[in-house]
Amino acid sequence: GENVEQHPSTLSVQEGDSAVIKCTYSDSASNYFPWYKQELGKRPQLIIDIRSNVGEKKDQRIAVTLNKTAKHFSLHITETQPEDSAVYFCAASKETGANNLFFGTGTRLTVIP
Amino acid sequence: ETGVTQTPRHLVMGMTNKKSLKCEQHLGHNAMYWYKQSAKKPLELMFVYNFKEQTENNSVPSRFSPECPNSSHLFLHLHTLQPEDSALYLCASSLLAGGSLTREQFFGPGTRLTVL
Repeated sequence: GENVEQHPSTLSVQEGDSAVIKCTYSDSASNYFPWYKQELGKRPQLIIDIRSNVGEKKDQRIAVTLNKTAKHFSLHITETQPEDSAVYFCAASKETGANNLFFGTGTRLTVIP
Repeated sequence: ETGVTQTPRHLVMGMTNKKSLKCEQHLGHNAMYWYKQSAKKPLELMFVYNFKEQTENNSVPSRFSPECPNSSHLFLHLHTLQPEDSALYLCASSLLAGGSLTREQFFGPGTRLTVL
């Protein structure tokens, strides 16, 4: 089965700085890679996703890059704000059937004002 | 109520009890999922139902028994649980359709389960 590893487990940055979270996956057949944000006491919510036919995707201050050859993908947050503080989960799946998502272990991001 | 709802939000049970968790989605989705979220292994996929058919049982012990009577409702029946089963149980749903632009899973608020 798929195995997703995520680093770092915790990350603290000053407000305005950038944050980068990295994930690797094991199954070369995986082709869909979403990122979820979970604020304290709340449910996970999708913030951005990328498919294997694209190398990079950007949405305002967040971007995701994918290297299929190396089987790793990264989340980049620029100009961080205190409200970016949360746990971020990467995931991988094959975009067929029921879209089973296999999640990384999460990164707790703290943005220091 | 909109989105994905779960009841109860909190549950404390003894190891010999039988209880059920309920999930309901109001989004017109056709796939539903159970996840276990604990400090040690965040967001473990437990069960998947695709058009009411169970398509995934991710090596979950038989003391957890899912039920999906229709595409809007999902249950997780619990019996003779162990203290290590204490966790947040999250339900999610998604729309599976050919050519869908997003595969987003929408999560419920979770049930915080404590097994004594």
